[in-house]
Amino acid sequence: DAGVTQSPTHLIKTRGQQVTLRCSPKSGHDTVSWYQQALGQGPQFIFQYYEEEERQRGNFPDRFSGHQFPNYSSELNVNALLLGDSALYLCASSLGTAVGEKLFFGSGTQLSVL
Amino acid sequence: AQSVTQPDIHITVSEGASLELRCNYSYGATPYLFWYVQSPGQGLQLLLKYFSGDTLVQGIKGFEAEFKRSQSSFNLRKPSVHWSDAAEYFCAVGILTGGGNKLTFGTGTQLKVEL
Repeated sequence: DAGVTQSPTHLIKTRGQQVTLRCSPKSGHDTVSWYQQALGQGPQFIFQYYEEEERQRGNFPDRFSGHQFPNYSSELNVNALLLGDSALYLCASSLGTAVGEKLFFGSGTQLSVL
Repeated sequence: AQSVTQPDIHITVSEGASLELRCNYSYGATPYLFWYVQSPGQGLQLLLKYFSGDTLVQGIKGFEAEFKRSQSSFNLRKPSVHWSDAAEYFCAVGILTGGGNKLTFGTGTQLKVEL
């Protein structure tokens, strides 16, 4: 049983570009959350998708957007990249949106913005 | 707004020694509390969680944590550390708002184990 898979594992972009990160949730999971982890920091919540809708959003600008597909996979898009967007982007999946549901994390996409 | 403080950025212990990682939270309601571990190049793995009931919770890999409401703390403990426990540990508080939920993480404690 595959866990949460994220692609690509590493990515290098330049300022002003756009990037799309992808996540496939654990089999049977219908909820996907995205987190940004800057170097030396804890993960910060970006948003959560359930039933193809954004259910909850953290304190991130509109440059960060997402999508969930009918097969529950998800994409994170970041427009107009800034140097400060360099971070590890983690995807987590769960069954439902209850706060007690166990989150399964992927290994992340390391984004470097030059 | 909720917040989590992990006062110790780095901790070094000898293999076989006991371990306690500190976590303090700020949240107006009854908190949902979690401890996660992150090994290099890996995502986060849930060690244990607390919602209600017994304030001492047992987790995987021999870890336990104690919820103390009066101190707003949720410290992680292990009686005897193994070299494989070297990793970064994150405390988190979970909240349910609107139609979803989110976790607020602390900044983490990096654990080094000396052989």
